[in-house]
Amino acid sequence: AQSVTQLDSQVPVFEEAPVELRCNYSSSVSVYLFWYVQYPNQGLQLLLKYLSGSTLVESINGFEAEFNKSQTSFHLRKPSVHISDTAEYFCAVSDGGGSNYKLTFGKGTLLTVNP
Amino acid sequence: DGGITQSPKYLFRKEGQNVTLSCEQNLNHDAMYWYRQDPGQGLRLIYYSQIVNDFQKGDIAEGYSVSREKKESFPLTVTSAQKNPTAFYLCASSIDRTSGMRNAGELFFGEGSRLTVL
Repeated sequence: AQSVTQLDSQVPVFEEAPVELRCNYSSSVSVYLFWYVQYPNQGLQLLLKYLSGSTLVESINGFEAEFNKSQTSFHLRKPSVHISDTAEYFCAVSDGGGSNYKLTFGKGTLLTVNP
Repeated sequence: DGGITQSPKYLFRKEGQNVTLSCEQNLNHDAMYWYRQDPGQGLRLIYYSQIVNDFQKGDIAEGYSVSREKKESFPLTVTSAQKNPTAFYLCASSIDRTSGMRNAGELFFGEGSRLTVL
């Protein structure tokens, strides 16, 4: 069975400050890893994903995450946040085999960017 | 535009009534999912379906039922047996993994349905 732990339920930061949202997972098999973002009263949108290859993955809006197999982590970072980054962020894991994409989600981290 | 449509967006019901939430997709995706979201609990999988006329229970299926008669549609019924039905319900879809790596693992979500039981 897989599990995902997001270590911080809430992260308040000031605009233009750097941020790191932490995610650890446990799995007995190879995994795919994801970060999704949810704005208030909306569904989730994919932010970035790690499937294979380079362990550093980037999104189009400046976020990046690094897959660390030895530490079973997939932390999300951004060097300078904007007010518009305020949202809830979910880390998720899927096993690398099988014919579907059943994901296990963490409990989420609410990022609040203050002016 | 392709996407997933959930309806209604907000729904109020009395205790003891069954409620059906609609989910329709025009992405030609094979797999569809229902998740429940509660504050501070993340998303928990209720049911999922990989193909028409087939579906499997997720982690919290008790008190819920689904059907998959058409590829585009995956309605969820919240029955009176569900003890705490008030929640935000999210429907999602994805391509089959065997279709290739490019979209591997990406779930496409609807806007959600917020159910309040009075």
